[in-house]
Amino acid sequence: QQPVQSPQAVILREGEDAVINCSSSKALYSVHWYRQKHGEAPIFLMILLKGGEQKGHDKISASFNEKKQQSSLYLTASQLSYSGTYFCGTEIGSARQLTFGSGTQLTVLP
Amino acid sequence: NAGVTQTPKFQVLKTGQSMTLQCAQDMNHEYMSWYRQDPGMGLRLIHYSVGAGITDQGEVPNGYNVSRSTTEDFPLRLLSAAPSQTSVYFCASSYMGRGNTIYFGEGSWLTVV
Repeated sequence: QQPVQSPQAVILREGEDAVINCSSSKALYSVHWYRQKHGEAPIFLMILLKGGEQKGHDKISASFNEKKQQSSLYLTASQLSYSGTYFCGTEIGSARQLTFGSGTQLTVLP
Repeated sequence: NAGVTQTPKFQVLKTGQSMTLQCAQDMNHEYMSWYRQDPGMGLRLIHYSVGAGITDQGEVPNGYNVSRSTTEDFPLRLLSAAPSQTSVYFCASSYMGRGNTIYFGEGSWLTVV
């Protein structure tokens, strides 16, 4: 089952914050976050494992709420380079199959 | 270290033709997979493999074949191309086990006319 991402699109000014949500109706092993720029391959951001952990890298962090089967990606003090489409990929079984959401298009304006 | 390499990057096919998209990785990853991405949409899993000689179907396998004779290579075959197969195809690989990063190739843009 495809995870549901929200919002579908968001427009920010440089320096503003954003939150992207990803939810699943199934119990998740892990959630993977990727950013993709137009015409390029998805670039890995981070993985969150079952256990409710939170991770961060620079000004991008994420959380995983195991009870709600929901993950959120937090972008703080956004930069122009953050523009792109963000995808969450959810892993349900142990076979390493990632099912991706339909993406959130993030545009950061100067 | 090349990572995940896909060829060709661009291809135009006529309806009914067959072709093979090549994927190779040099990271000794057990897991390899193929995704397709249609305009404005997420990635959908076509086929995957957890090791040499082992393949399985993903969400959208119809019209595609795969094989895994070596750890490094995972080619995707279009048997009889259809316009509905016009898409961008991504190959991905990783070590088995949760928590391991899945690396994507740069993509192959396929147009079927």
